[in-house]
Amino acid sequence: NAGVTQTPKFQVLKTGQSMTLQCAQDMNHNSMYWYRQDPGMGLRLIYYSASEGTTDKGEVPNGYNVSRLNKREFSLRLESAAPSQTSVYFCASSDGSSGNTIYFGEGSWLTVV
Amino acid sequence: AQSVAQPEDQVNVAEGNPLTVKCTYSVSGNPYLFWYVQYPNRGLQFLLKYITGDNLVKGSYGFEAEFNKSQTSFHLKKPSALVSDSALYFCAVREWEDYKLSFGAGTTVTVRA
Repeated sequence: NAGVTQTPKFQVLKTGQSMTLQCAQDMNHNSMYWYRQDPGMGLRLIYYSASEGTTDKGEVPNGYNVSRLNKREFSLRLESAAPSQTSVYFCASSDGSSGNTIYFGEGSWLTVV
Repeated sequence: AQSVAQPEDQVNVAEGNPLTVKCTYSVSGNPYLFWYVQYPNRGLQFLLKYITGDNLVKGSYGFEAEFNKSQTSFHLKKPSALVSDSALYFCAVREWEDYKLSFGAGTTVTVRA
């Protein structure tokens, strides 16, 4: 069972460079999410997609864009990376209903220098 | 707006002793409450959740949590801690019909042999 798969696992970027984090889930979930994790701050929601064809901003969307390519895939793009975007990024998915569990990928460690 | 507080950054216990990780929440409606565990350099693993019904919820690896509506708390417990329980624990809350999951800052648990 692959679950939620993220790539790449590790990435170092220079300030101003762009990159896309890829995420795919094989659980036929409707909803997908991108979170970032920073020490002492827990996980903060960047963007989410309640269903295929829709995306919405979360708590910290500035500097990011997303694409819900199809039901399986949800990518996160940094157009012009900044050191403040150094973080661990997690993709997640769920069946959409409020009581359903959200399942997470293994994370992508991004460093912007 | 929904929010979660984990009042302890760190919890240290001896192996074999009871383990408690505290969590309080704030929501405007009915809460759905979750606990996740994160091992170093890994993603978040689901432990247990409260949706409705019995206030005592049992989950993976011998963990349980008690929902207390009057105290707006959802503390995680394990009767006898193991060294392998050493990890970062997150409490999270979701409101009814809301797609977003809001996390606490996390509590680092260290179990000494």
